Amino acid sequence: DAGVTQTPRHEVAEKGQTIILKCEPVSGHNDLFWYRQTKIQGLELLSYFRSKSLMEDGGAFKDRFKAEMLNSSFSTLKIQPTEPKDSAVYLCASSLKGGEDTLYFGAGTRLSVL
Amino acid sequence: SQLAEENLWALSVHEGESVTVNCSYKTSITALQWYRQKSGEGPAQLILIRSNEREKRNGRLRATLDTSSQSSSLSITATRCEDTAVYFCATSGGNYKPTFGKGTSLVVHP
Repeated sequence: DAGVTQTPRHEVAEKGQTIILKCEPVSGHNDLFWYRQTKIQGLELLSYFRSKSLMEDGGAFKDRFKAEMLNSSFSTLKIQPTEPKDSAVYLCASSLKGGEDTLYFGAGTRLSVL
Repeated sequence: SQLAEENLWALSVHEGESVTVNCSYKTSITALQWYRQKSGEGPAQLILIRSNEREKRNGRLRATLDTSSQSSSLSITATRCEDTAVYFCATSGGNYKPTFGKGTSLVVHP
């Protein structure tokens, strides 16, 4: 089985740009998570989908971050406009039944905002 | 505030030694998971232990859960250089959103 695929692996953006990160979950998984990872804050939940429905939109991340799940096999995370403090690794994970089950993570997208 | 957290930022051992990473959490949970993240990769699950379980093993790994003290430990025996990674605990409380600690960085020296 294919695991979680994230593209691109690396992204460099200028301040104010719009960037879109992509994620393909494990086939058959119902739940999809987007996390931001930094050394200081660790893994912070950005968005959580269950069967393509948005269950959690990440509170403080709402204003410039928007995740969508266009179908059960593809999700995007848009950051608009980007700021230097958005520099981080963005991880996508999927599971059969949320946090009660194993989360399968992609390798992540490392974003650098100049 | 972090609902789950590991008790040490970093650990260092030599190959062959045993090591334990501890985790404490602040809410009622239904399950606790341990993950390992190697450089350049996403986290990968090691063990999932449910709230009605006290211990779970996976090869050289052993996880314990004490719901009365709201703590868990992950022990690795006979460590190898390839165990070098960041170890996270993640808790679930029935809302299906796992909360991750900030991780403990483990370095295993040859």
